[in-house]
Amino acid sequence: DVKVTQSSRYLVKRTGEKVFLECVQDMDHENMFWYRQDPGLGLRLIYFSYDVKMKEKGDIPEGYSVSREKKERFSLILESASTNQTSMYLCASISGRSTYHEQFFGPGTRLTVL
Amino acid sequence: GQNIDQPTEMTATEGAIVQINCTYQTSGFNGLFWYQQHAGEAPTFLSYNVLDGLEEKGRFSSFLSRSKGYSYLLLKELQMKDSASYLCAYSGNTPLVFGKGTRLSVIA
Repeated sequence: DVKVTQSSRYLVKRTGEKVFLECVQDMDHENMFWYRQDPGLGLRLIYFSYDVKMKEKGDIPEGYSVSREKKERFSLILESASTNQTSMYLCASISGRSTYHEQFFGPGTRLTVL
Repeated sequence: GQNIDQPTEMTATEGAIVQINCTYQTSGFNGLFWYQQHAGEAPTFLSYNVLDGLEEKGRFSSFLSRSKGYSYLLLKELQMKDSASYLCAYSGNTPLVFGKGTRLSVIA
């Protein structure tokens, strides 16, 4: 059974804190993605990675950074959390560089920044 | 701005049929995905259309017209558990581009 896991389902942090969101997939997928999802705005791509140590900016990378040191793990970092980063964060992975394949999502992390 | 569009909300009756439309505009188009997302959960894959036409999978069917930039998801014999958001997304030369989702409410 294929799996994408995220380190936390719910997280509460304070403004200015550094926040790490971890994502691990066990499918040996090359491509991994971080999205945020907000009511009325849908899924928005923050960053993605095609391979270890590679990263590409998505549509809304400001205020975020990522790390891909191992193939199975893709981390999203909020350097200094702000209240407008309160959101649902979803990680996803897909095999190969082709976009013909199904994208698998993790369960999501609901982050609240106070 | 976003170049993939779907209705924000729809309501349908249990046992009925509902069609959720999705229009898109892009170059380098490969195919069109549909995902289902229950409240508070991650999206799960429903279908993927590459060629024009209708693909049926049980109670769910998905249609694609590449020339018109149009797709729809057809849900038959609606059940209460079908209440969810339905996301369309196209694949091309970039990562998947998602629509904002259609929230479907199934009522008795």
